[in-house]
Amino acid sequence: SQKIEQNSEALNIQEGKTATLTCNYTNYSPAYLQWYRQDPGRGPVFLLLIRENEKEKRKERLKVTFDTTLKQSLFHITASQPADSATYLCALDINNNNDMRFGAGTRLTVKP
Amino acid sequence: NAGVTQTPKFRVLKTGQSMTLLCAQDMNHEYMYWYRQDPGMGLRLIHYSVGEGTTAKGEVPDGYNVSRLKKQNFLLGLESAAPSQTSVYFCASRALAEDTQYFGPGTRLTVL
Repeated sequence: SQKIEQNSEALNIQEGKTATLTCNYTNYSPAYLQWYRQDPGRGPVFLLLIRENEKEKRKERLKVTFDTTLKQSLFHITASQPADSATYLCALDINNNNDMRFGAGTRLTVKP
Repeated sequence: NAGVTQTPKFRVLKTGQSMTLLCAQDMNHEYMYWYRQDPGMGLRLIHYSVGEGTTAKGEVPDGYNVSRLKKQNFLLGLESAAPSQTSVYFCASRALAEDTQYFGPGTRLTVL
């Protein structure tokens, strides 16, 4: 079956540490993968996009990797802060025609 | 710019009632999407549109209809609401030349 899994429903880390979130997918061959942040009661906000021919992408304290052989993306937040606490979602365009699929999300809590 | 707006923010329906959710965007985006979000299941695509006058089914289209008569508006209709349609509904839009979706604030719908 086709699915997208974010391995941890919740992740708790200490301020200053690096948070690593995982997104695995099966039976898709997406041209790109996206990561979004969602705060309670709000819509998701786009963070990063990584294409199939890119191994890594960075934006400030954020880093995303994409391994199309393993069918996995890792999302890292370095020097984490309590303000980084939110739910993080990964998303794929499964047929490269706007048919978007999201993972269930990982709720990150950064403790001071 | 207001970005993506959704009307209403909250609604309670009785089983069998009908309603329409309105999504509006002022960014001149070509693509628009309707998602539902349920606890533990992430965002699921209901219908989407790649342009004015065109719509397509997503992952969970049953029980919903959509229309895109104007480029800036995307309407989601429930003809006969069921308790299983209790959810938070998000609209999103995307420009033709970008891969980033911009989400609205959501509509919380309860069907009794």
